[in-house]
Amino acid sequence: AQTVTQSQPEMSVQEAETVTLSCTYDTSESNYYLFWYKQPPSRQMILVIRQEAYKQQNATENRFSVNFQKAAKSFSLKISDSQLGDTAMYFCASPGGSEKLVFGKGTKLTVNP
Amino acid sequence: DAGVTQSPTHLIKTRGQHVTLRCSPISGHKSVSWYQQVLGQGPQFIFQYYEKEERGRGNFPDRFSARQFPNYSSELNVNALLLGDSALYLCASSFLSSPLNTEAFFGQGTRLTVV
Repeated sequence: AQTVTQSQPEMSVQEAETVTLSCTYDTSESNYYLFWYKQPPSRQMILVIRQEAYKQQNATENRFSVNFQKAAKSFSLKISDSQLGDTAMYFCASPGGSEKLVFGKGTKLTVNP
Repeated sequence: DAGVTQSPTHLIKTRGQHVTLRCSPISGHKSVSWYQQVLGQGPQFIFQYYEKEERGRGNFPDRFSARQFPNYSSELNVNALLLGDSALYLCASSFLSSPLNTEAFFGQGTRLTVV
């Protein structure tokens, strides 16, 4: 079964600093997307960034960027210039076949003023 | 444009009862998926529907069922509720059927509490 592992249950960072959240995954697919979602206390899962596995270039979305290493099946999220509004649960997700996403257990990120 | 909408937002039911949760996808999206998220865990896949056909089913008992309507909205039904069914139920819509090549957008969820 496909698995997604987030090894950091909780992390904290000072406002304006940089933090990196780790994720490893296991998929048998050759071409796929990978995702990071943010879930604030409001509960809604918000898509933060997407990486297309066939692209060499790491995805970037404003202050959010990924370090994607396909051979190692590693997909970490870097948040630069952290803001108080970044405080949330962050979930890494990869396809578990052609019909579903498989999520990690999440990393609780707290940004301190 | 409206995002994915789910109703109700909160629900309290008694053990043994039945519940129906509803989801309206983003306009133009034909795929709807349902996920269960228990406290402290990531979402777990329950069902995917595309063009009104079931495309995938997760490891959930037969008490869980779903359907998709001609307007692509969807219902998730759970019979004979157990305390362990208490969770946040998330609906996601996407333009294509496979997460291999499309993004999934989530609703705000329905918080179900079984007492």
